[in-house]
Amino acid sequence: GAGVSQSPRYKVAKRGQDVALRCDPISGHVSLFWYQQALGQGPEFLTYFQNEAQLDKSGLPSDRFFAERPEGSVSTLKIQRTQQEDSAVYLCASSFWGKGRLSGYTFGSGTRLTVV
Amino acid sequence: DAKTTQPNSMESNEEEPVHLPCNHSTISGTDYIHWYRQLPSQGPEYVIHGLTSNVNNRMASLAIAEDRKSSTLILHRATLRDAAVYYCILRDVAGGTSYGKLTFGQGTILTVHP
Repeated sequence: GAGVSQSPRYKVAKRGQDVALRCDPISGHVSLFWYQQALGQGPEFLTYFQNEAQLDKSGLPSDRFFAERPEGSVSTLKIQRTQQEDSAVYLCASSFWGKGRLSGYTFGSGTRLTVV
Repeated sequence: DAKTTQPNSMESNEEEPVHLPCNHSTISGTDYIHWYRQLPSQGPEYVIHGLTSNVNNRMASLAIAEDRKSSTLILHRATLRDAAVYYCILRDVAGGTSYGKLTFGQGTILTVHP
């Protein structure tokens, strides 16, 4: 497709449930980022992939958060034992260029996760 | 990461120019100035970026101060579709482990009146 696709668009999870959020980046894009955006705040960095390698996961808030990109294309963000504080919009962004190159990133529309 | 300072909100009338300021007094020589905007219920959208010289594209213009400690995003004729949160971000592409990741602040909420 022409853009970054994220699914589902909305997800309601009961506290303690595991969730998986999917990101389909633009074909051929090397770099992939995940961000978390709480209501009324700017997006906050979670993790970065260059192809299939997860080069930075310093923004993941706890070990309940796990991300993968096994074939260097589609990525999944998994949250185990969801808590209410995990409620947020999760954004995925991708870019053709890898580290150090100038490029605007293309963001998906995000997945809005609500934990009840 | 070098930080940016933006006003919390600004208002404009439709078809008038809008100047969105950004201060970045601690900018380093390898920091590029990027602007993104986020429309309601959408992900951020790339607008423009620059290093030292003023830049123009189909969406906006970026005016960068000579000392690079501030910049201004210019929307030449605001439309209702320009109502969004505008983020000014410094991006270090010199190397290290930044991976060129974007560090968002609070941004400026732009309201456009018909």
